[in-house]
Amino acid sequence: QSTLTQPPSASGSPGQSVTISCTGSSSDIGRYNHVSWYQHHPGKAPKLIIFEVTKRPSGVPERFSGSKSGNTASLTVSGLQADDEAFYYCASDVDSVDLIFGGGTKLTVL
Amino acid sequence: QVKLVQSGAEVKKPGASAKVSCTASGYIFTDYYIHWVRQAPGHGLEYMGWINPKSGGTNYAQKFQGWVTMTRDTSISAVYLELGSLKSDDTAVYYCAREILGVAGITFDTWGQGTLVSVSS
Repeated sequence: QSTLTQPPSASGSPGQSVTISCTGSSSDIGRYNHVSWYQHHPGKAPKLIIFEVTKRPSGVPERFSGSKSGNTASLTVSGLQADDEAFYYCASDVDSVDLIFGGGTKLTVL
Repeated sequence: QVKLVQSGAEVKKPGASAKVSCTASGYIFTDYYIHWVRQAPGHGLEYMGWINPKSGGTNYAQKFQGWVTMTRDTSISAVYLELGSLKSDDTAVYYCAREILGVAGITFDTWGQGTLVSVSS
């Protein structure tokens, strides 16, 4: 599998919640609790927002949360804000030495 | 603070090679693996592989084996990504990223600003 499967787009109004899925296989997401999520504003460097499926780095708001069930991981953004508009990428270890990214989801705040 | 600073944009003709640098500061260079990720226009992130700055050991994603070479110069805290014979499809922004220690899985806490490599005749 060359990429994890994400919906190309998602949207929500300010204050609402949106969930982005990331589907892999038993070789990556299903095998490891090593899922991370990155926020990417075009023209800037990606920013880590979730690691080890559910953990948030220091400084990332609690509005961002992660989960996993079987071969699918999910990112939920609650209380949507204008600055949340960005691309979101999931990533997972595969074969313990390589990494695979999702195709990316463009989140639009309406 | 921790920073990764990459070299500037490059324009190359098909068949040429390219070399992108990534210079680290604000931490002990040899303590953290550096990885490379690229993003072609209109596409998502694509993982390329890593280098261990301490040993110089490398691991390349299968797609890039035989085409990329990752090296380092510990005297100036820099890692390099050498790209072999370039095609137009290799036009992309190339990022270096530092792997977090003590976290399960390959996870990046710091990224370079990205280097655009454009391949055009």
